[in-house]
Amino acid sequence: QLQLQESGPGLVKPSETLSLTCTVSGGSISSSSYYWGWIRQPPGKGLEWIGSIYYSGSTYYNPSLKSRVTISVDTSKNQFSLKLSSVTAADTAVYYCARGYSGYDVIDWFDPWGQGTLVTVSS
Amino acid sequence: QSVLTQPPSVSAAPGQKVTISCSGSSSNIGNNYVSWYQQLPGTAPKLLIYDNNKRPSGIPDRFSGSKSGTSATLGITGLQTGDEADYYCGTWDSSLSAAVFGGGTQLTVL
Repeated sequence: QLQLQESGPGLVKPSETLSLTCTVSGGSISSSSYYWGWIRQPPGKGLEWIGSIYYSGSTYYNPSLKSRVTISVDTSKNQFSLKLSSVTAADTAVYYCARGYSGYDVIDWFDPWGQGTLVTVSS
Repeated sequence: QSVLTQPPSVSAAPGQKVTISCSGSSSNIGNNYVSWYQQLPGTAPKLLIYDNNKRPSGIPDRFSGSKSGTSATLGITGLQTGDEADYYCGTWDSSLSAAVFGGGTQLTVL
């Protein structure tokens, strides 16, 4: 059974870089047809897709965050990572990693999801 | 403001049926598959419906999905108190080259 687990600091200072890693177990990150992505949810609000990466390194990013986001993949460790730079309080959210199914160069759905990790931006 | 529009809340009595709408445009719902997610309080979202109307293994047939033009609908029959959750629709937006979600709908089973 495929499982995803987020890890990283729960507290980041304003203007610094948020860094999270997602570890995939029970399956290979190098599987075809799947993108590996990050989705966040501010407290009490809805879901916002951040971006996704294919095992080859091909990426899609949310246009509204693209200038601050970098997603990378390490197939040897079966992990992928998120870096979000110049964070502010507005980036405080639960960050989820999730596998995305890709049919024809689009991401159709996300499953499974990690349990999520709360990241607070505060000095 | 979300690209996809959902009602903020819906409610119905146990055993009844409820529908949740998701409205978009030709660049997203109109030309791509729709998925639906259930988020129980304090937990991660779970895939309920994919490819407009397909259910993953383990999802009961009380949950159904449909799509017409630029709108999609999630239906839940035989409502149970355990169905109380937030429900989100999602799809791909070809103009943005981005995955997009609706703002979410809170279901209350009275």
